[in-house]
Amino acid sequence: DIQMTQSPSSLSASVGDRVTITCRASQGISNSLAWYQQKPGKAPKLLLYAASRLESGVPSRFSGSGSGTDYTLTISSLQPEDFATYYCQQYYSTPFFGQGTKLEIK
Amino acid sequence: QVQLVQSGAEVKKPGASVKVSCKASGYTFTGYYMHWVRQAPGQGLEWMGWINPNSGGTNYAQKFQGRVTMTRDTSISTAYMELSRLRSDDTAVYYCARAKTTVTTFLGYWGQGTLVTVSS
Repeated sequence: DIQMTQSPSSLSASVGDRVTITCRASQGISNSLAWYQQKPGKAPKLLLYAASRLESGVPSRFSGSGSGTDYTLTISSLQPEDFATYYCQQYYSTPFFGQGTKLEIK
Repeated sequence: QVQLVQSGAEVKKPGASVKVSCKASGYTFTGYYMHWVRQAPGQGLEWMGWINPNSGGTNYAQKFQGRVTMTRDTSISTAYMELSRLRSDDTAVYYCARAKTTVTTFLGYWGQGTLVTVSS
């Protein structure tokens, strides 16, 4: 399995801040990476796929980048509704999720 | 619009089996793989496997091989996930999730989740 290491595991930030979450794959995954947002008690929601493609309806303050083994999710200006847990998932091989990053209000 | 509606919460004893259903609507059921993902309380997401509703073919995560069975009934557009020999650490919310496209395995649509509690 290609495993995903996500960091940080938690992050405190304020409304308006720019935040970055990182995922590292145990081997190259050729941009086969998706990002999800999950709020408490809810199912995950797809935000981006193919490392940088924004899912329809997702605000443009979310962006993704990376290549090879290293990928990032950036939120350019945090909004109150963005405080949630974020997961990466590689789909280059057998799907595997990162451990998650809980984004909390500072 | 795509909808995945799962069956209700279950309470099971250790050693028992549980079968969770996922009824799909709003698209051609046989056109997209259905995945199952679970989430233990306070923990992250864990991929369990997928089923190809068209052929019935399956691919299970190694961790669940021998304990999980994914099936489907195309006549009612419903996928099933059965987990046997339940243990307390199988307590989790189980989600079905549809692949976003026909050729990839990222998950664009999710069911509401089914809480399975394993307790003596």
